[in-house]
Amino acid sequence: ILNVEQSPQSLHVQEGDSTNFTCSFPSSNFYALHWYRWETAKSPEALFVMTLNGDEKKKGRISATLNTKEGYSYLYIKGSQPEDSATYLCASSGGSYIPTFGRGTSLIVHP
Amino acid sequence: DGGITQSPKYLFRKEGQNVTLSCEQNLNHDAMYWYRQDPGQGLRLIYYSQIVNDFQKGDIAEGYSVSREKKESFPLTVTSAQKNPTAFYLCASSIRAGANYNEQFFGPGTRLTVL
Repeated sequence: ILNVEQSPQSLHVQEGDSTNFTCSFPSSNFYALHWYRWETAKSPEALFVMTLNGDEKKKGRISATLNTKEGYSYLYIKGSQPEDSATYLCASSGGSYIPTFGRGTSLIVHP
Repeated sequence: DGGITQSPKYLFRKEGQNVTLSCEQNLNHDAMYWYRQDPGQGLRLIYYSQIVNDFQKGDIAEGYSVSREKKESFPLTVTSAQKNPTAFYLCASSIRAGANYNEQFFGPGTRLTVL
């Protein structure tokens, strides 16, 4: 079992604040790192998939980076909005291709 | 619309009864997965199937069983042997293991409560 850790567990920010979360994963035998957004009463949806060391992905105000050598990824949200409130999951997979999920970071953005 | 459906959304059962959770996908995906979520925990893999008529145990398979007779369907049975079955169950699919970096598509989930 891969150990995928996410921090912080939860986060409360004000509208307009920028924030970031961390996902750490075993760096050996790495295949891919996924970020998913899970809004209340909805299904988790894919945000990013990253595979190469140094990868950076961006979607609007949300971006992510990947360091496979040290085994971590950061997710950044610039200028948080209430609609960004969700649980953000990261999942790492190795040679078996089967992902292991972290516990998630719950973000609440207050208007 | 293509997607994954799970039914029912909420399910109540008496202790000692087996219960089957439905998962159907029309995405033409080869691989399907069942996860369990408990408060404060991540998604934990119960079973997965990479092709019809084949499936493998995940990290917490004890007390569960699955079948994969059709590509579109991957039902999960929670048996009376599962000691703590009350949880939220998520079904997912992916194109196939190793393709598209195994991006997962999720259903809406079933919340099972055993009384």
